[in-house]
Amino acid sequence: DGGITQSPKYLFRKEGQNVTLSCEQNLNHDAMYWYRQDPGQGLRLIYYSQIVNDFQKGDIAEGYSVSREKKESFPLTVTSAQKNPTAFYLCASSAGRDSYEQYFGPGTRLTVT
Amino acid sequence: GNSVTQMEGPVTLSEEAFLTINCTYTATGYPSLFWYVQYPGEGLQLLLKATKADDKGSNKGFEATYRKETTSFHLEKGSVQVSDSAVYFCALKERGGSEKLVFGKGTKLTVNP
Repeated sequence: DGGITQSPKYLFRKEGQNVTLSCEQNLNHDAMYWYRQDPGQGLRLIYYSQIVNDFQKGDIAEGYSVSREKKESFPLTVTSAQKNPTAFYLCASSAGRDSYEQYFGPGTRLTVT
Repeated sequence: GNSVTQMEGPVTLSEEAFLTINCTYTATGYPSLFWYVQYPGEGLQLLLKATKADDKGSNKGFEATYRKETTSFHLEKGSVQVSDSAVYFCALKERGGSEKLVFGKGTKLTVNP
């Protein structure tokens, strides 16, 4: 059963702590993406990776970091430098260049207090 | 830069009513256009797409036509159901270059029985 898994579904952290969100796909997709969703603001791109060992900043990369050591995995670390980390985080993947569809995971809701 | 503007919600309709959600875009070149749907607590799913001018995307009774002259991609459905209640996102993808999607802010639809 192919798809994208994100874990956990809900995550709670104290301010000042780094936290890593997991994203795994078994679709054999080359490209992976991280989006942040806030109420009334749609989705904003944080980072994306079009191939293993390479990634680019999206529109709101400050306070976040990523790695892409394996094709299947694209973890996102929310660092203590991110001023407003509480949000719904969505991971997506696509087959790569010229593919039309991005497939989304179920999301992780992060709450930082 | 590229951008997507969609009508503000929320939209509340009775079952079997006609639905229109407006979407206009600004882009260099000729982007591909998409409608995604997000059910409560879930990730996004691709609803339909159109890759060139005058293309009509359709799925599950929803339709949208790529109108280059008005830079629009309005979503329509002739008779909505309670199960259509969700948030709908219009998005565009630049042709060539990166695989980034640019999203509108989303329109929440509630259909009452």
